[in-house]
This record gives sequence, structure tokens and C-alpha cells, in this order.
Amino acid sequence: DQQVKQNSPSLSVQEGRISILNCDYTNSMFDYFLWYKKYPAEGPTFLISISSIKDKNEDGRFTVFLNKSAKHLSLHIVPSQPGDSAVYFCAGQTSGSRLTFGEGTQLTVNP
Amino acid sequence: GAGVSQSPSNKVTEKGKDVELRCDPISGHTALYWYRQSLGQGLEFLIYFQGNSAPDKSGLPSDRFSAERTGGSVSTLTIQRTQQEDSAVYLCASAPGPKATNEKLFFGSGTQLSVL
Repeated sequence: DQQVKQNSPSLSVQEGRISILNCDYTNSMFDYFLWYKKYPAEGPTFLISISSIKDKNEDGRFTVFLNKSAKHLSLHIVPSQPGDSAVYFCAGQTSGSRLTFGEGTQLTVNP
Repeated sequence: GAGVSQSPSNKVTEKGKDVELRCDPISGHTALYWYRQSLGQGLEFLIYFQGNSAPDKSGLPSDRFSAERTGGSVSTLTIQRTQQEDSAVYLCASAPGPKATNEKLFFGSGTQLSVL
């Protein structure tokens, strides 16, 4: 039962352009969504989150959008930088419960 | 320490052998999680500790897997009679308190387990 799905295993963009990473979920009980970033040989690190009562949260170059009716969220990175190259994981959380992660998307930002 | 520490960073073992993976969480963090990432897969939940007790063990894939936590700090994940499908990166994460909404986990660098 894949409750969180990231359908694109990889994404490649040019430096300075926008990166859009997508995530779909099936569990309508999720009340929080988080994005984590992972570099090779390191553990994932928290990037940004959004409550299910919001539709947008912005933090610097990173913005997460939530469309509850479509059970879809996306992470926008503008402008993309080579240091953003990493695997990005989307996760959903039900209050008082563990995080459920997607498969991850490998982002490559080319100079 | 400053972050979550896991050891060993790499472990190669033969099929059928037992392995122990260790996690030192951030000091003062009462919540501790084990996840694993198999090749091409997402982060799969294994077990959650709050203090020394494990209220959620639902992710352990078989009875060959067990985990304990002592002193509300260090945790050990044990895999008995390892199989090739156990090969994965095993990640430990800790968080400051009991599970709550928007809980940000702090992950260690993981243990890469390879079962030959």
C-alpha cells in the first residue's frame, strides 16, 4: 500500500531555472506533509513542511504547494542551484503517527 | 553528540549470519525511529521508540528483526539469519519528544548493509 508516491525517479534542470518536484498521496488522513533532502552517504535532512489546512508555504527559494482535492503536492525551487542536486523525499504524517515517505526523486541541477 | 550517530557505516555479511546495527540519537531526544531504504525504494518504516518502549513495531518485516533501546538513548537493531533481501541502507532518526504533528526527524548517515 503505497500511500505516498513520487512518480518521477529523476529530474534534470538548468541552473537558474525552476525545479518542480511532484508527490501524490492516497491517505486523506494526512494532516502534515514534509519534504526532506538527501545527499549521497548522508541521512535525509528536513527542508520544508506544510499543514493540510494551508495550500502554500514558502521558505526562501523553496515553496511547497498543496492541492488537497487532487491529493497532490509539489515542491518548487527557484532559482535552482547546483548544490540543490540531491534526492528529495516527500512524506505525509497523520497526527501522532509516523512519517510515511515516498520513493524519492533525484534532482540534478546542471551548471 | 551533535547529531545522530550510526555504526558501522558499512557492513558486509554472509547470508545466515546475525548483524547488529547501532544508533546513538541526539542527546535528550526521546523519540527514535528506524527506517530502511532498499535500492530504488523509498524510506520504509521499521520501528518507533518513545523512551525505552516501542509502541509501534508494525514495520518490522519478519521475526528475524528486533530492536531495543536502553537508558532512553542508544538503540540496537538486530537482524538474525540475514537474507540477501535484507541488503539496504538502515537509517536511524531521532526527534525531541513524543510523536506530534509536524515532527521533524533528524537522521543519521545510515548503515549500508550488504548480505552476500
